[in-house]
Amino acid sequence: GAVVSQHPSWVICKSGTSVKIECRSLDFQATTMFWYRQFPKQSLMLMATSNEGSKATYEQGVEKDKFLINHASLTLSTLTVTSAHPEDSSFYICSQNGLGGNEQFFGPGTRLTVL
Amino acid sequence: QKEVEQDPGPLSVPEGAIVSLNCTYSNSAFQYFMWYRQYSRKGPELLMYTYSSGNKEDGRFTAQVDKSSKYISLFIRDSQPSDSATYLCAMCLRKTSYDKVIFGPGTSLSVIP
Repeated sequence: GAVVSQHPSWVICKSGTSVKIECRSLDFQATTMFWYRQFPKQSLMLMATSNEGSKATYEQGVEKDKFLINHASLTLSTLTVTSAHPEDSSFYICSQNGLGGNEQFFGPGTRLTVL
Repeated sequence: QKEVEQDPGPLSVPEGAIVSLNCTYSNSAFQYFMWYRQYSRKGPELLMYTYSSGNKEDGRFTAQVDKSSKYISLFIRDSQPSDSATYLCAMCLRKTSYDKVIFGPGTSLSVIP
């Protein structure tokens, strides 16, 4: 399967600041990557689909101006949480499809805590 | 009705037991079915992937899909303490340019030595 890394693994920030999370595909190029959010004891919720070279596709209810996604290369997608608030504290996970095209392989996740 | 339903547990079994995890879904358009294992504070790890009704076996894991009943299962034989984790079922819906994956809420499993 695909190998996906994320950085940082854990970040604490003050309310009102912006935080950037990186998602890298380590073993092959990914034209599409996915960003999920997971609150404690809840399942993963898809936030947006990141497409290399074009605008991301956001799920209903996700503010595109608050969660900025950039997929500038075939191996890197970034999620920036702008003007973070305590309610944005969550586990953010990215994924990409495998070579088979349908399975999704996940990164290790980034835990964001906003004070 | 949620698109994917899964008993959240927690489920506690003795080591060596057979574990049965189940999900039901409402959207008959789902085409692919997956099971993920997620340890605390880690990303989900793909365990099984199927696309047709029937059984698929991989080591101690067997995935079962019944599209007519909209029901999928994961069986774990000879369960080990290291199997203690949250198990997420996931269903794939093909969109025009990408596949959208819907996850169940997960079942927390504890295997007691």
